[in-house]
Amino acid sequence: DAKTTQPTSMDCAEGRAANLPCNHSTISGNEYVYWYRQIHSQGPQYIIHGLKNNETNEMASLIITEDRKSSTLILPHATLRDTAVYYCIVSIKAAGNKLTFGGGTRVLVKP
Amino acid sequence: DTGVSQDPRHKITKRGQNVTFRCDPISEHNRLYWYRQTLGQGPEFLTYFQNEAQLEKSRLLSDRFSAERPKGSFSTLEIQRTEQGDSAMYLCASSLERGAFADTQYFGPGTRLTVL
Repeated sequence: DAKTTQPTSMDCAEGRAANLPCNHSTISGNEYVYWYRQIHSQGPQYIIHGLKNNETNEMASLIITEDRKSSTLILPHATLRDTAVYYCIVSIKAAGNKLTFGGGTRVLVKP
Repeated sequence: DTGVSQDPRHKITKRGQNVTFRCDPISEHNRLYWYRQTLGQGPEFLTYFQNEAQLEKSRLLSDRFSAERPKGSFSTLEIQRTEQGDSAMYLCASSLERGAFADTQYFGPGTRLTVL
């Protein structure tokens, strides 16, 4: 599976957009980009996923570059409850879709 | 609640004892995954099932670990002769495999194991 690189941590202001980058330069054509987050002591929570096109749901937007080598997760209006570790994962459906988590980005939303 | 459930949520045991965890997936989800997460690290894949068939096991899953999903619904993860290094959060996830479409895994709250 392709590996991902994310910043170790970032802060953002409550009410502002939070833009979380992820590099996946070795991604292959059949690998999806998934984003999960994990609030302290809870199980990971699914946020969004995409293959080539940008995606949006009620939680976030996912912007994938045309060459698919990087992506950005956008939380449009961060709240204190968005404080969590955010994981960017690439996964091959043909390989059972098992998820390989890296270190993630620790996001702290400040008032 | 129709999400993934896990039982127990916490387990404290002494070294050398056997422990068993249970996972109930989202209804009708045909895939079930087990992951392990140690403090400060991301979850690591252990094994997964499609219906009752165990399709893959990680090298992390030593001979002391066994997982079953006998009727293709709930699953159990047993650890025999526990060691202190087994202390971790054990996470279960389930998904609905739908042919060509990506299947999204939904995680349970986890079982935190402490081996004394």
